[in-house]
Amino acid sequence: ETGVTQSPTHLIKTRGQQVTLRCSSQSGHNTVSWYQQALGQGPQFIFQYYREEENGRGNFPPRFSGLQFPNYSSELNVNALELDDSALYLCASSLGLGSETQYFGPGTRLLVL
Amino acid sequence: DAKTTQPTSMDCAEGRAANLPCNHSTISGNEYVYWYRQIHSQGPQYIIHGLKNNETNEMASLIITEDRKSSTLILPHATLRDTAVYYCIVRGANFGNEKLTFGTGTRLTIIP
Repeated sequence: ETGVTQSPTHLIKTRGQQVTLRCSSQSGHNTVSWYQQALGQGPQFIFQYYREEENGRGNFPPRFSGLQFPNYSSELNVNALELDDSALYLCASSLGLGSETQYFGPGTRLLVL
Repeated sequence: DAKTTQPTSMDCAEGRAANLPCNHSTISGNEYVYWYRQIHSQGPQYIIHGLKNNETNEMASLIITEDRKSSTLILPHATLRDTAVYYCIVRGANFGNEKLTFGTGTRLTIIP
């Protein structure tokens, strides 16, 4: 069974640029959640996708957007990057909604200069 | 989701049991207690979760008090690889409660 994978592992961008991060969910999982973790903080929920539809969103501006594909993999897109967007971006997959356990990938570390 | 309170940091000797407490006094009847840990710069790792009864798996045991207002995660024989930040999270079971709300967790250091 393949776990959650994310790419790239590290990324450096400059302010104002756009970035796309990718996540492949664990085999059989149809739900993907994205989290942002700033240095020294706990992860913060960005949004969740279930069967290609957004299913809940945290307190993040519209320049954070996402997609889920028919194979349940997902992308997180961030436009107009700001310095404060520098963080570890985590993807978690689960089997369905409700109380299903979320399993996390290793994350993508984004640095915005 | 109910809020949780955890000590900021704890130390434990290698080979001893590590007992990590968590207070969740506002937990409601259909909310689960989840534990995750995060080893430096890696993604959070699921450990265990429970609703009312005590739970045990190959990683840890979860003891939930009868009134469900607090719980304790027990790592029975701590090793150096258990050094991590441990997060206690309370999460609803209903649709619409899918997000995990992380606090700042407990930084557990295993001492050789």
